[in-house]
Amino acid sequence: GENVGLHLPTLSVQEGDNSIINCAYSNSASDYFIWYKQESGKGPQFIIDIRSNMDKRQGQRVTVLLNKTVKHLSLQIAATQPGDSAVYFCWGYGNKLVFGAGTILRVKS
Amino acid sequence: GAGVSQSPSNKVTEKGKDVELRCDPISGHTALYWYRQSLGQGLEFLIYFQGNSAPDKSGLPSDRFSAERTGGSVSTLTIQRTQQEDSAVYLCASSSGGGTLRGELFFGEGSRLTVL
Repeated sequence: GENVGLHLPTLSVQEGDNSIINCAYSNSASDYFIWYKQESGKGPQFIIDIRSNMDKRQGQRVTVLLNKTVKHLSLQIAATQPGDSAVYFCWGYGNKLVFGAGTILRVKS
Repeated sequence: GAGVSQSPSNKVTEKGKDVELRCDPISGHTALYWYRQSLGQGLEFLIYFQGNSAPDKSGLPSDRFSAERTGGSVSTLTIQRTQQEDSAVYLCASSSGGGTLRGELFFGEGSRLTVL
């Protein structure tokens, strides 16, 4: 399958700054996307989702942007906190087989 | 239970032995996924069950890997003749949606497998 076996990139941000985490997908049939957060030693947890008929969705301190033209998804975290430190994965339903490779977010105090 | 339950949480085995990993999904969830996560890497899809449909086994890395889901609920992932490269955390997730439905995946805490 289209499994991603890459070592994860790292994003380091200062506490209080905004973070932007990106994800590219390949399956144009994907019509539903979710961002997951995975803290060390735990299973992934849902953060926010978006359907393909939207290009933006906001939650509490998080915003997901979807650009279907270039098949790109981003997660914006406002006023990043130490508790946001984790690995972030995107997941596309039409592309149900594979998560995005993931990004490690490190928040510096 | 309230969430997805996996057992064992930790398993250490010798190369060549068979192991079974169990997943108890959220009651009523029709979709069940197995993923594998190696150290420092992303989530690798293994297999997907949806209701009574034939499972999507396209992610299983070799014929040593198999999974079943009995009665549409509990699932068992079996790895035969384990190899060191099988060492990873095996994550199970369930969802209320499938096919044309959409839904959040709820993950278990994973089973950490170490093959010596």
